[in-house]
Amino acid sequence: TQLLEQSPQFLSIQEGENLTVYCNSSSVFSSLQWYRQEPGEGPVLLVTVVTGGEVKKLKRLTFQFGDARKDSSLHITAAQPGDTGLYLCAGVGNEKLTFGTGTRLTIIP
Amino acid sequence: NAGVMQNPRHLVRRRGQEARLRCSPMKGHSHVYWYRQLPEEGLKFMVYLQKENIIDESGMPKERFSAEFPKEGPSILRIQQVVRGDSAAYFCASSPDREQFFGPGTRLTVL
Repeated sequence: TQLLEQSPQFLSIQEGENLTVYCNSSSVFSSLQWYRQEPGEGPVLLVTVVTGGEVKKLKRLTFQFGDARKDSSLHITAAQPGDTGLYLCAGVGNEKLTFGTGTRLTIIP
Repeated sequence: NAGVMQNPRHLVRRRGQEARLRCSPMKGHSHVYWYRQLPEEGLKFMVYLQKENIIDESGMPKERFSAEFPKEGPSILRIQQVVRGDSAAYFCASSPDREQFFGPGTRLTVL
């Protein structure tokens, strides 16, 4: 069974601080995606990383895919209250997504 | 171009009743996926369908759950004889090829 563990499970920090959340897999996926989910809504895709070692930036968000394509990290610089939400990583393979356990992020103004 | 639509958004059923969840994919999308999310957890894959075909149902419970995506109309996830453990948010996603776009979900509460 493919399993993606995210850490930390919960994170609460002050506005303006930096943070990193991690996604570790027991398996290799063809690609890995990061989503953000707001309460009462479906997940929204933030980024897809495909190549081992790949780094992608989306404004204040930096995504890395490990060399072995089994783990990934999301770094947020100067967090803002609008970054609050549930962050999910998902491995892509066999035409379906395998989601991680999630990191619930709260940014305190 | 409207996004993925799911209805109802909230559904309350008593134990033993049937629940029918509907998903209308985005225009032009022929792939539909259903996922279930328990409170404070990530989403778990249930089933992948294309028009009139079930491609992968490896995440579906063996009993009481069924899904269809007919030639015309929305995809339906059907849960017969619901139990309290079926209470969850059920998300549908549609895709033209690889990228999946998620609907807002149906929150099922079983009393």
